[in-house]
Formats: sequence, C-alpha cells, structure tokens
Amino acid sequence: KAGVTQTPRYLIKTRGQQVTLSCSPISGHRSVSWYQQTPGQGLQFLFEYFSETQRNKGNFPGRFSGRQFSNSRSEMNVSTLELGDSALYLCASSLGHGGSTEAFFGQGTRLTVV
Amino acid sequence: QKEVEQDPGPLSVPEGAIVSLNCTYSNSAFQYFMWYRQYSRKGPELLMYTYSSGNKEDGRFTAQVDKSSKYISLFIRDSQPSDSATYLCAMSAGVDSSYKLIFGSGTRLLVRP
Repeated sequence: KAGVTQTPRYLIKTRGQQVTLSCSPISGHRSVSWYQQTPGQGLQFLFEYFSETQRNKGNFPGRFSGRQFSNSRSEMNVSTLELGDSALYLCASSLGHGGSTEAFFGQGTRLTVV
Repeated sequence: QKEVEQDPGPLSVPEGAIVSLNCTYSNSAFQYFMWYRQYSRKGPELLMYTYSSGNKEDGRFTAQVDKSSKYISLFIRDSQPSDSATYLCAMSAGVDSSYKLIFGSGTRLLVRP
C-alpha cells in the first residue's frame, strides 16, 4: 500500500515569492493535515481538510492557505514568503472519521527562503 | 506552559539498554496518544497508537498511558543503534476537536554500539 507522497522534496525560493506544495494521501484516506516543523517551534498544526472542506486551522497568518481536491489530494500555498517560513512542511493522512486520529506522515517538503 | 511537555534530551544509552521516554500533558480532553520516530531529514514514522489509558505492546516497543496523571511513556527494550532518532509524542482530543495533533518537542535518542 503506497504511503503519503509529498512533492517536491526540496524548494529554494526568494523572499516575496509564493510557493505551492502538494500532498497525495494514502488511498482511502479522506483527511489531510499540514504541519510546519522548525528547530525552534517543533511541529505546529497549520490546517486540516476533510472531503474538500477545511475543518480546522492553526494559528498561522492568512499567507498560508490550502485546498483539497475531490480525489483527496491536497495543496498548500504560502504567499509573500518570509525568511521565517523556512521549514520542513509535513503532510499527514488519516481516515478522518469514526474518531480515529491515527495519522501517517509523508517525507516532507523542505522549503528554504533566501 | 505548553500543552505537551517532553524532555528534549539528548538521551544516550548503550546498545541493549531499556529506554524510557516520557511526555506530560495538561489538556484532560486528550484521548488519543501516539509515538512517532523521526530520523534526520525524514518525516515522522508512526510507532504506537493508543486510545485512552492502558498499555500496548508491539515487538520491542511498549506504550503506556496514565490519564489520571496526564502522563504517557514509551519503552524500548533491547535498544539498537538503529533506534537512534528523535522520538515525538503526539495527542489529540478526537473528533470533537477535529483531528489536530499536538506534539511534544521531541527527545533525541542515541544508542551507542
């Protein structure tokens, strides 16, 4: 069974640019969550999508947005990049219903803003 | 105060030792508890998933949850150098709070050959 696939694995962007990251969840999983991981703040929740609807959002500025498609694939967008946005962005896949929060992560996209 | 507290380590042990990793939390609504292992520059790998209080064993790994003390543990028996990684605890309140996971800061473990 294929795992969670994130693309691209690495990105280098310039301040002020925007970036789009992609996540394909495990087949049959309808929930996709996004997390930002930095050495100083650890893993922080960005948002969660279930059946194309955002169900929950973390404490990040509006520059961070996402969406989910009918096939459960999700994209995350960051606009007007800042140096502090450099981080490992992780996508987690779960069933999303029935109370189970068992979540499986992809390998992440490492974003460097210069 | 953070919702989930975890000693960052590093924790250094000799090969074959029993390792004990712990997290404490403040939110009594948490009922789903997870342990992840993360190697450098990789995504977290789910090791253990438990619901409510009790013990769960899987091979060399045992997870314990004590909701009355708001304390969870992961034990690794017969530790191996390949167990050297960062271990993250995570927890969730479940469906009423969506599926948001709250993570500890992670404990770095080094198993010396």
